[in-house]
Amino acid sequence: GDSVTQMEGPVTLSEEAFLTINCTYTATGYPSLFWYVQYPGEGLQLLLKATKADDKGSNKGFEATYRKETTSFHLEKGSVQVSDSAVYFCALSDSNQGAQKLVFGQGTRLTINP
Amino acid sequence: SQTIHQWPATLVQPVGSPLSLECTVEGTSNPNLYWYRQAAGRGLQLLFYSVGIGQISSEVPQNLSASRPQDRQFILSSKKLLLSDSGFYLCAWRRGPETQYFGPGTRLLVL
Repeated sequence: GDSVTQMEGPVTLSEEAFLTINCTYTATGYPSLFWYVQYPGEGLQLLLKATKADDKGSNKGFEATYRKETTSFHLEKGSVQVSDSAVYFCALSDSNQGAQKLVFGQGTRLTINP
Repeated sequence: SQTIHQWPATLVQPVGSPLSLECTVEGTSNPNLYWYRQAAGRGLQLLFYSVGIGQISSEVPQNLSASRPQDRQFILSSKKLLLSDSGFYLCAWRRGPETQYFGPGTRLLVL
């Protein structure tokens, strides 16, 4: 079945550092790809998405590019802030499935120190 | 605009007791609805989804069940809770494009 693999956490960085969280996927169809963020004690919020190869999703300074050749969707940010501390989930949705089920990675906990 | 509500926000229940968690969506019609569980330190697992009233699909066999008595209402239930049912339960909805939108979640602790 479809699956998503994220880099192991936790990740700890200093403020203004460059961030990369790796995400690779396995899918039989042509999935859409997502990054969701979960702040402490809250539900999930959509951070960004890409629906086809070479698309770049971006939001709040975060970016991720849909790379079909490497089956990857790595999350990047040039200069992180303390407020970016959260758990980040990579996910895919197979557009061929009518129910549009999401398959999530295990999540990566990010802590930014001032 | 659309909003999604879950309640209760937090619940502490003894082993063997029943469970009922509710999710409602406002501002849309005929959404797809989903229940996910996030166990401590782990990712999200899809438990149930529904594409319409009375239509429930189960992804993982367990002692939980789901129902959709109204178009925008999704209920997660159990007759007898187990310790392993503890976790953070998230409801989500989708209509149209692929994006799912999540509720605030219910934190369940079974003792």
